[in-house]
Amino acid sequence: QKEVEQDPGPLSVPEGAIVSLNCTYSNSAFQYFMWYRQYSRKGPELLMYTYSSGNKEDGRFTAQVDKSSKYISLFIRDSQPSDSATYLCAMGVRDDKIIFGKGTRLHILP
Amino acid sequence: ETGVTQSPTHLIKTRGQQVTLRCSSQSGHNTVSWYQQALGQGPQFIFQYYREEENGRGNFPPRFSGLQFPNYSSELNVNALELDDSALYLCASSYDTSYEQYFGPGTRLTVT
Repeated sequence: QKEVEQDPGPLSVPEGAIVSLNCTYSNSAFQYFMWYRQYSRKGPELLMYTYSSGNKEDGRFTAQVDKSSKYISLFIRDSQPSDSATYLCAMGVRDDKIIFGKGTRLHILP
Repeated sequence: ETGVTQSPTHLIKTRGQQVTLRCSSQSGHNTVSWYQQALGQGPQFIFQYYREEENGRGNFPPRFSGLQFPNYSSELNVNALELDDSALYLCASSYDTSYEQYFGPGTRLTVT
């Protein structure tokens, strides 16, 4: 079992829909959880950074961490065509390397 | 405040050659991490430099080496290039080894 599992997609949803992106992990020691957005041929852009279980909201984005289930989610409300990108989850333990998921390709259909 | 920059944007090298990639950190950041991202994969951690010292290394052979300079810019050097080294190389800067990292646009390396 890989340390971080993420469905590669592609995931296609109509504009305005709520998008749900998910990752599961096996290492219960992970403390830090991040979501990055990566447009084609660009570097990843940090969207959300959380430390604890629960929800964190930033504009149209909500990150959710459930440590008991080893499951994290990113919700995008009122999705826009400009949200079309690859979304990478990442997680780590303090003073150790970050582990990334493979990324989920998201297409928002106008 | 300037973002993270990398050079060159693209590079084509022949198997067996050596390559140097460069990264300029975001202003005020003293930590840089380098990642390799193969097509369709997430970034894989190569190593991290904090205040000019190596501060952790991923599962990459010694022919991958790095430097960080007093102005916190850095280099990734790869010797004896192999075909499998073809990838997008990303650097990310942060403050005091925080996981709140900011990535550059990457250098796309093709080894033929």
